[in-house]
Amino acid sequence: GAGVSQSPSNKVTEKGKDVELRCDPISGHTALYWYRQRLGQGLEFLIYFQGNSAPDKSGLPSDRFSAERTGESVSTLTIQRTQQEDSAVYLCASSFLAGGNTIYFGEGSWLTVV
Amino acid sequence: KQEVTQIPAALSVPEGENLVLNCSFTDSAIYNLQWFRQDPGKGLTSLLLIQSSQREQTSGRLNASLDKSSGRSTLYIAASQPGDSATYLCAGGGSEKLVFGKGMKLTVNP
Repeated sequence: GAGVSQSPSNKVTEKGKDVELRCDPISGHTALYWYRQRLGQGLEFLIYFQGNSAPDKSGLPSDRFSAERTGESVSTLTIQRTQQEDSAVYLCASSFLAGGNTIYFGEGSWLTVV
Repeated sequence: KQEVTQIPAALSVPEGENLVLNCSFTDSAIYNLQWFRQDPGKGLTSLLLIQSSQREQTSGRLNASLDKSSGRSTLYIAASQPGDSATYLCAGGGSEKLVFGKGMKLTVNP
């Protein structure tokens, strides 16, 4: 695709529910990243994929968070049993290769847990 | 562990001024340094990427420099315009991921 596409763009969910956030990277980009940005805060690294593998999962805040990528394309970030502190915008980005290349961001998925 | 700092957190200037935005990082072993722009409610737009072997990059009215020895990068904006108003973030790249500063909110007043 022309750019990184994320869905849903906005999601309001009740505390305790599970949510799935989807990212479609730029076609041909092998590296895919997930970041989180809480209101008024900087970007917090969550996880990145090189191909379908996730060499670095160190940023996932808890075991309620998981992510997968298939076909070296679409990625899904899943948050189980959502908590209010999970409210944030979740940003996906992709690059041709990990490290050394320009990364391109999607518009983000705005998650509100009520 | 890489840490990226941007000071000040906000800046308000009149239109037409030449601006210097500062970014400092703690680990000089970076692969690249990227500058991004973020408009309210939007994702990040990449402005400039400086590879570790480079000293600067230019795009239009923007010029970014990188000094690994001092752990600093500077984004220079010439002849600022109201449309430049946004939050500017710098990010230091390792072999895998980028570490972001908290950004600097720029307001250019007509």
